Amino acid sequence: QVQLVQSGAEVRKPGASLRVSCQASGYTFNAYFMHWVRQAPGQGLEWLGWINPNSGGTYYAQKFQGRVTMTRDTSISTAYMELSRLRSDDTAVYYCARVPAGHSYGFFEYWGQGTLVTVSS
Amino acid sequence: DIQMTQSPSSLSASGGDRVIITCRASHDITNSLNWYQQKPGKAPKLLIYDASNLERGVPSRFRGSGSGTDFTFIISSLQPEDIATYYCQQHDNLPLTFGGGTKVEIK
Repeated sequence: QVQLVQSGAEVRKPGASLRVSCQASGYTFNAYFMHWVRQAPGQGLEWLGWINPNSGGTYYAQKFQGRVTMTRDTSISTAYMELSRLRSDDTAVYYCARVPAGHSYGFFEYWGQGTLVTVSS
Repeated sequence: DIQMTQSPSSLSASGGDRVIITCRASHDITNSLNWYQQKPGKAPKLLIYDASNLERGVPSRFRGSGSGTDFTFIISSLQPEDIATYYCQQHDNLPLTFGGGTKVEIK
């Protein structure tokens, strides 16, 4: 069965960077675009962007351009999301989410369990 | 960016009631609208895709309709396990955007 397993909770100071991983199993990793979505405490969902695991190509929401980098390691079926110059309002749960085959975006049919990132001095 | 406006932001209903949530897009998004359910501490779960298609395994009491800018999500008979927050999401245009959510509670 399809599983997306994310790395554990992180605490960072303002100005630092962090990297969240998302290890996929149960399907052909290269065949499905992976997206990242975040949710601040008590707030709604916010989309960050996607990566094409096959080519490494990416698309980032304009709000995060210059601060976010999405990469992948196909040898271990893992996608990564790195966010730099962290601010307190980056405190959120970060999710990876997969879209159906043949689509760069659309609906999120599978989600990781989420990674809580806390930015605090 | 396409703005998604959900209403109401919260509602309280009795078990067995019909629950209706609406989502309005700031631009025509044809049928590129999805609905998710999120329970506390959990990731969202896809319920409806492309406005009216029920995701496999999702109970038939959940239904979606609409096109263009106005969409409706209905729970035909509210069950205790339906207590959650529901989000709409458009995928007509990047950036992908979500509605603000509707928290559904039981009276």
